[in-house]
Amino acid sequence: EDQVTQSPEALRLQEGESSSLNCSYTVSGLRGLFWYRQDPGKGPEFLFTLYSAGEEKEKERLKATLTKKESFLHITAPKPEDSATYLCAPRFSGGGADGLTFGKGTHLIIQP
Amino acid sequence: SQTIHQWPATLVQPVGSPLSLECTVEGTSNPNLYWYRQAAGRGLQLLFYSVGIGQISSEVPQNLSASRPQDRQFILSSKKLLLSDSGFYLCAWSVGLGGYTFGSGTRLTVV
Repeated sequence: EDQVTQSPEALRLQEGESSSLNCSYTVSGLRGLFWYRQDPGKGPEFLFTLYSAGEEKEKERLKATLTKKESFLHITAPKPEDSATYLCAPRFSGGGADGLTFGKGTHLIIQP
Repeated sequence: SQTIHQWPATLVQPVGSPLSLECTVEGTSNPNLYWYRQAAGRGLQLLFYSVGIGQISSEVPQNLSASRPQDRQFILSSKKLLLSDSGFYLCAWSVGLGGYTFGSGTRLTVV
């Protein structure tokens, strides 16, 4: 059973069309949730860390929020350069050094 | 500032040939180091992680091995590559409970 599920798998938006990406997890004992952006052929790039329910972080057109069982990445008025795969990675208690569990990502395409 | 170097960027190797991918980290001491593989259309798969020199933990049985000869050097190896070893290999580091910082990746194609 997957511990981390990201939805949708793929999302195509028009430029300026706001939407949200979801990351849900089934294991308790969250010790942080990380969002990354990955461009084709490159390594994931860190975006945000969230540690407690109700916490929010913002960067340009992106805002990440966290509840007890899921996190959302809200994209407001996106531009074509926001096209990428967005990965979430919760860290669970007892995970040790290998504690980040990555979702499969949401492939986002912003059409001009 | 901390940086991570991973090379080569692309590699094409015949089946049965050896492999050595290297990753080095600068600007931090005693990092946790990781090797991931990302196959087309699939998520990140953790292959190995290391909490210190000579300490390697393997997540999945496979044709690959890892070594950490120095504090900030992590090497991924294979004695004989298989077609199924093709993929995008990523090195990453972390300290404590922080997030991971990834290298730029190596695209390996086994032919």
